[in-house]
Amino acid sequence: LAKTTQPISMDSYEGQEVNITCSHNNIATNDYITWYQQFPSQGPRFIIQGYKTKVTNEVASLFIPADRKSSTLSLPRVSLSDTAVYYCLVAFNQAGTALIFGKGTTLSVSS
Amino acid sequence: EPEVTQTPSHQVTQMGQEVILRCVPISNHLYFYWYRQILGQKVEFLVSFYNNEISEKSEIFDDQFSVERPDGSNFTLKIRSTKLEDSAMYFCASLSLETSGRGKDTQYFGPGTRLTVL
Repeated sequence: LAKTTQPISMDSYEGQEVNITCSHNNIATNDYITWYQQFPSQGPRFIIQGYKTKVTNEVASLFIPADRKSSTLSLPRVSLSDTAVYYCLVAFNQAGTALIFGKGTTLSVSS
Repeated sequence: EPEVTQTPSHQVTQMGQEVILRCVPISNHLYFYWYRQILGQKVEFLVSFYNNEISEKSEIFDDQFSVERPDGSNFTLKIRSTKLEDSAMYFCASLSLETSGRGKDTQYFGPGTRLTVL
């Protein structure tokens, strides 16, 4: 199983760009990198997924270097409503379908 | 956008009682999951379900737990004799898995059921 390491917490101000980096040194060849967001008392919500290079959607960008041993979630111009826990996932159990969550990064956005 | 729904949103029960948590996955999805999150802790995998049987379960998913897909739409988690430590948020998720590459598709989570065992 690929273990992920990401900062426990980050602080930012409204309007700033936030970059959260996740390391996953033993990622498997077929694994994708997925980021989820979770607000208090809500279920995790998919943000973005990638395999290599750069992926961008309406919410975020995901940067993955060639060796795929890390990835960076970039949130442009955060707002107060982006305050949440962000999970980087590359780990799957042996059946290949369950998501194994780490502790995530708690992002706090202030005005 | 299609959603996973869960009922009830909050369930309060006495220790030793049976509870059934209900989920309606996204209609064309084939894989179903239950996760739980104890307050202040990380989301933990409980069980996955495919083709009307359990495909994987974690150490948490002991004999007190069972899952069922009683009809074409509902997916349920039953806890036979609740314990205080079963108090948590329980999330249902569903997935339509492509065959190429693990994690290629997205698991969609429901809003959760908060279970409080007194």
